Amino acid sequence: NAGVMQNPRHLVRRRGQEARLRCSPMKGHSHVYWYRQLPEEGLKFMVYLQKENIIDESGMPKERFSAEFPKEGPSILRIQQVVRGDSAAYFCASSLSQGPSYEQYFGPGTRLTVT
Amino acid sequence: EDKVVQSPLSLVVHEGDTVTLNCSYEVTNFRSLLWYKQEKKAPTFLFMLTSSGIEKKSGRLSSILDKKELFSILNITATQTGDSAVYLCAVHTGTASKLTFGTGTRLQVTL
Repeated sequence: NAGVMQNPRHLVRRRGQEARLRCSPMKGHSHVYWYRQLPEEGLKFMVYLQKENIIDESGMPKERFSAEFPKEGPSILRIQQVVRGDSAAYFCASSLSQGPSYEQYFGPGTRLTVT
Repeated sequence: EDKVVQSPLSLVVHEGDTVTLNCSYEVTNFRSLLWYKQEKKAPTFLFMLTSSGIEKKSGRLSSILDKKELFSILNITATQTGDSAVYLCAVHTGTASKLTFGTGTRLQVTL
């Protein structure tokens, strides 16, 4: 399966714990995007990364959230000290290159539940 | 702030019906509009539209963009139960690589 892969698919964390979400882009893609989908809401952009660089993090909350896309390995979205409001589906997408001519292909998402 | 609005929010039709889903947008520096289908998993890409008046077609699905009136429609003819999903509209603006999504239209096709 050469699609975008995310793991885990479901993650349960208690308030105050850390959540770590992983995303492996499609083969050949080096552009990764993270989106969050709250219940009954649309997907909201969080961050756009290329290998070893954060290009646009305008949608990331200022505190507790961070993202990386190392030279080797998957992209990681890290949420520290989770709160109930962080419960959502987190989707990763990848594209072959940047810009509006390139479709973004989405992974199956990680559903985070904070208890 | 860029805004994408989809209507209706939800729709129930009988198998075989034709449906039209709407997407309007207010954005700065429009570049492209995309449609996705989301079942209980990853949004799957359907169409990308960049030019007004040119219909994109894939099987029973088709879509068209009107850049003057700032909207797009997605048509599904001869609907099947497998078409039941949330249909998402997203707009790509400027040089930014992020997409701005609408809240989606939930379509249910019944027998």
